[in-house]
This record gives sequence, C-alpha cells and structure tokens, in this order.
Amino acid sequence: DAGITQSPRHKVTETGTPVTLRCHQTENHRYMYWYRQDPGHGLRLIHYSYGVKDTDKGEVSDGYSVSRSKTEDFLLTLESATSSQTSVYFCAISDERVGGSYEQYFGPGTRLTVT
Amino acid sequence: GQSLEQPSEVTAVEGAIVQINCTYQTSGFYGLSWYQQHDGGAPTFLSYNALDGLEETGRFSSFLSRSDSYGYLLLQELQMKDSASYFCAVVSGSARQLTFGSGTQLTVLP
Repeated sequence: DAGITQSPRHKVTETGTPVTLRCHQTENHRYMYWYRQDPGHGLRLIHYSYGVKDTDKGEVSDGYSVSRSKTEDFLLTLESATSSQTSVYFCAISDERVGGSYEQYFGPGTRLTVT
Repeated sequence: GQSLEQPSEVTAVEGAIVQINCTYQTSGFYGLSWYQQHDGGAPTFLSYNALDGLEETGRFSSFLSRSDSYGYLLLQELQMKDSASYFCAVVSGSARQLTFGSGTQLTVLP
C-alpha cells in the first residue's frame, strides 16, 4: 500500500458545473500526477507536479486545472464539466528509487460521470 | 510527441509463455516501464528498463532495445491470475512522467 487515496471515489455531476477531485498521499513523494483512462486510450496524462506549487500540463490538459499547496495534496479541477470528461481519473505518485527507476504508485481511481 | 504501439489482445493457456511487444517513438526518453491492470483496479508497476537488455523479476521479464525503439514483456508459467491488461509506458520529462500505450488485454485460458 503506497499510502495514496482519492476522493470522491464516485461522482455524478451535471454539465457546466465545476468539480474538484482530491489526491492525498502519506509518502512524502515529490512527484504527483493526474491521468484519465478511457476505453481504447489507455491512460493519458492531464497534469503533473514536481513539488509544492510546481505544476505543468500533460497531454490532455484542456478544461482542467490543478493545484498543489502542500506536498501531500494534489487537486484536479474541472472548471466547467462536459460529457467528454466522463472518465476514470487516477492519481499517481513517484520518487526516484535506488537504481533510477521512477516507479509510479496509483490511487484507486475516481469514476466521474457528467450528465 | 510520444507514441507507442502494442497489440490489443493476446490469448494463451495456463503454463504457457507469452510475449507482449511494444514499439515507441519518443523524445527525451529515460526508459520503458510496464504496468499491469486488473479489471476495475489501479495500474501496478511491473518493471522498468533504462538500458538495453533483459530485466528479470520472478516469472516476468522485460527487454529493451533503445536503438530499435522496442521492448517486450515476457510472462512465463502463465497463471489464471495473470489475466489483465498490460501497458507499456515511456518515461520522459522533468517529472519522469509516463506516456502509456493503449494496453494489451491478456486472457489466460485453463
């Protein structure tokens, strides 16, 4: 257990509403990531962070913003939810390990449905 | 940008050996990772190759050829519990972020 949790685990929301997903870690890992997973696309990187207040965009960042004010928390906000953002969202954490491997540990996921 | 290709489905029987190939096009490459994901679950790390050659971890091995932009995951002595999706992923960038392939669904038959 890598000490990573996500909340909520399930959410149904309406088009046009803002939504915030939370990722919390107890491992003090430097790097945190948000991915979305859709059938046929594998996992795609939305945003990532390499420290407090240091974030950057990933492959599919349009319509999403993030914040990291503490090492342990990484928030993903859908500014105005759309049906195309219906997906499973995974948070992951990472740090450099012995041997140079950057193994990522994934949270349990949040299933978001936008109606 | 990055792109990865891997087969969408593979089927094998218990006790057999299966190889899942992955080819990639990338910039800023640090290494190639493999992840396993069971239905409804989170991806879990299997292996990482930064250098050419074979890495072995129990029944699983992973291979990388940087010059060919190619890698594979080898699963030996297949068990029913190995039925899952397997993803190759390029490690790149300042935060060692992952770019995933679309995944290979492995079905192990009795």
